[in-house]
Amino acid sequence: GAGVSQSPSNKVTEKGKDVELRCDPISGHTALYWYRQSLGQGLEFLIYFQGNSAPDKSGLPSDRFSAERTGGSVSTLTIQRTQQEDSAVYLCASSSLTGLETQYFGPGTRLLVL
Amino acid sequence: KQEVTQIPAALSVPEGENLVLNCSFTDSAIYNLQWFRQDPGKGLTSLLLIQSSQREQTSGRLNASLDKSSGRSTLYIAASQPGDSATYLCAVSRGGGATNKLIFGTGTLLAVQP
Repeated sequence: GAGVSQSPSNKVTEKGKDVELRCDPISGHTALYWYRQSLGQGLEFLIYFQGNSAPDKSGLPSDRFSAERTGGSVSTLTIQRTQQEDSAVYLCASSSLTGLETQYFGPGTRLLVL
Repeated sequence: KQEVTQIPAALSVPEGENLVLNCSFTDSAIYNLQWFRQDPGKGLTSLLLIQSSQREQTSGRLNASLDKSSGRSTLYIAASQPGDSATYLCAVSRGGGATNKLIFGTGTLLAVQP
């Protein structure tokens, strides 16, 4: 079956613009995670969705970042008024059960804010 | 706060050598530990997952061990090959609650010379 897919693969935007990043998890996976990988900070957790539960947003760095997951499947990460420090690779992962299963990662979206 | 450290940061070995990558974590209250590899410009590929109750996991030429009480894990790669060249990341999860977010180490960049 298909793995986790993300789009776009690359995104270049101007400072101050909004961007939307998309994640399609593995079919049937109820848990979905967003992580960010940047040169200065390594790989860090952003947000987590599990089924119909309220998302864990504890990793979002500012209120410019938000995410939603529609129908328990596709997720969109939105960054408003982008800043240069938002430049990073945004990775999405999914797993079938919280805490029990391997997290499977997508190829990431490389965001460059000019 | 959980902190994950990987040593060495970079490693270069000739083809055929056996090698060990180290991962340490400060909080032993983990649920599981995963080892990933990341190829340049790519997402993460899961290699091995060790539950906190387990001591080791093996897959082909890879063997990962876990000593939760001392906060350490090792990834052993036997008979290394040039195709093993990548960045290797370890990550721990706390679990036991609503989120199984992964806390990542900074990685070991491995180069296997032909």
